[in-house]
Amino acid sequence: DAGITQSPRHKVTETGTPVTLRCHQTENHRYMYWYRQDPGHGLRLIHYSYGVKDTDKGEVSDGYSVSRSKTEDFLLTLESATSSQTSVYFCAISESIFGMGYGYTFGSGTRLTVV
Amino acid sequence: QQQVKQSPQSLIVQKGGISIINCAYENTAFDYFPWYQQFPGKGPALLIAIRPDVSEKKEGRFTISFNKSAKQFSLHIMDSQPGDSATYFCAAGAFGNEKLTFGTGTRLTIIP
Repeated sequence: DAGITQSPRHKVTETGTPVTLRCHQTENHRYMYWYRQDPGHGLRLIHYSYGVKDTDKGEVSDGYSVSRSKTEDFLLTLESATSSQTSVYFCAISESIFGMGYGYTFGSGTRLTVV
Repeated sequence: QQQVKQSPQSLIVQKGGISIINCAYENTAFDYFPWYQQFPGKGPALLIAIRPDVSEKKEGRFTISFNKSAKQFSLHIMDSQPGDSATYFCAAGAFGNEKLTFGTGTRLTIIP
């Protein structure tokens, strides 16, 4: 098991406030990802990181920023939360599966409600 | 731009029946096709995966069928059980590339 923890598990915040979600891994994986999951949209990539201070945008990056100052921590910040950012957020790492390709291990998710 | 199309969006199957979920892809660079299973309140977890050098892979009651010429792959769940009720995601990746592209998910419900 890749040992991924997300915090907080649940959060309610007010529109316009900044919010930071944390993803922590224990096994020194290079790639880390932030996804949001919404009904009818599946998993949508927000940002990902391929090393310390190396990050790139995904398909739904507007309104979000990320930081990775240590290998084990990948932070997702909603700069000014809006109701459209109410969602379940998942962090993931990728690891090699022998003879196959790269598989993802996901965290347990953070349910964010913006009121 | 959606590169992996998944259908149906939801599926109801009677206990003991066969559940079938289909995916199609466009990018011919994809050569690794995993399926993920997600229970309510949990993150998705790797269920089974296939590479295109085989047309079928079976693990217990779960089978992936792969059609390279049609650029399609599907998940079959034989003798479906209520415990299989979950959301299933197909995905695709290119060997050596760590990023996966996910389908939109199928919510499967197995009724007694």
